[in-house]
Amino acid sequence: DSGVTQTPKHLITATGQRVTLRCSPRSGDLSVYWYQQSLDQGLQFLIQYYNGEERAKGNILERFSAQQFPDLHSELNLSSLELGDSALYFCASSVLGQGVVGYTFGSGTRLTVV
Amino acid sequence: QKEVEQDPGPLSVPEGAIVSLNCTYSNSAFQYFMWYRQYSRKGPELLMYTYSSGNKEDGRFTAQVDKSSKYISLFIRDSQPSDSATYLCAMIDPDSNYQLIWGAGTKLIIKP
Repeated sequence: DSGVTQTPKHLITATGQRVTLRCSPRSGDLSVYWYQQSLDQGLQFLIQYYNGEERAKGNILERFSAQQFPDLHSELNLSSLELGDSALYFCASSVLGQGVVGYTFGSGTRLTVV
Repeated sequence: QKEVEQDPGPLSVPEGAIVSLNCTYSNSAFQYFMWYRQYSRKGPELLMYTYSSGNKEDGRFTAQVDKSSKYISLFIRDSQPSDSATYLCAMIDPDSNYQLIWGAGTKLIIKP
């Protein structure tokens, strides 16, 4: 157990729907990062939050949004889902906001859009 | 052209062989070169990291960085079936708010 908790582990939903993925960072970590991993795209950085504020944004679609709450857990919202959104979504956490060597990853949420 | 290039494999070798995994990168400003290991259906876990050119050893694993050639390597000695996983290189880009830039990952298969 890495200490980063992601729920749910698996999610199957239909096109056009909206889902919410949840991440609880490792105790003491202030930063949360969201990544998408699909077979043909590798690990793609989506967005980072540090102590409740957005710190960096990567290749995140406008249909996707995220937030980090006062208790430091984070949620990734995916809306108007398309078949191509099927992927593994990972959350990672770290103590610092930048210049970090090594994140701790959760086990991921496998999203299947049908 | 991607900022970090990594052959996706798969790379299949017999148990006990020495494995060499490599990445090349384009930006000389990149710092802190990392290797992550990802087992199937699991999140990546940090194996090793180095900052400067040269070698760093940890048990059966050796990370090597050649900044002049923009080339990094991970060597695995006495490879075991349990080493079968995807290995991802990553490095920090100080010009992009110190975000990690990832390679695509190389799938490694160690045959018993």
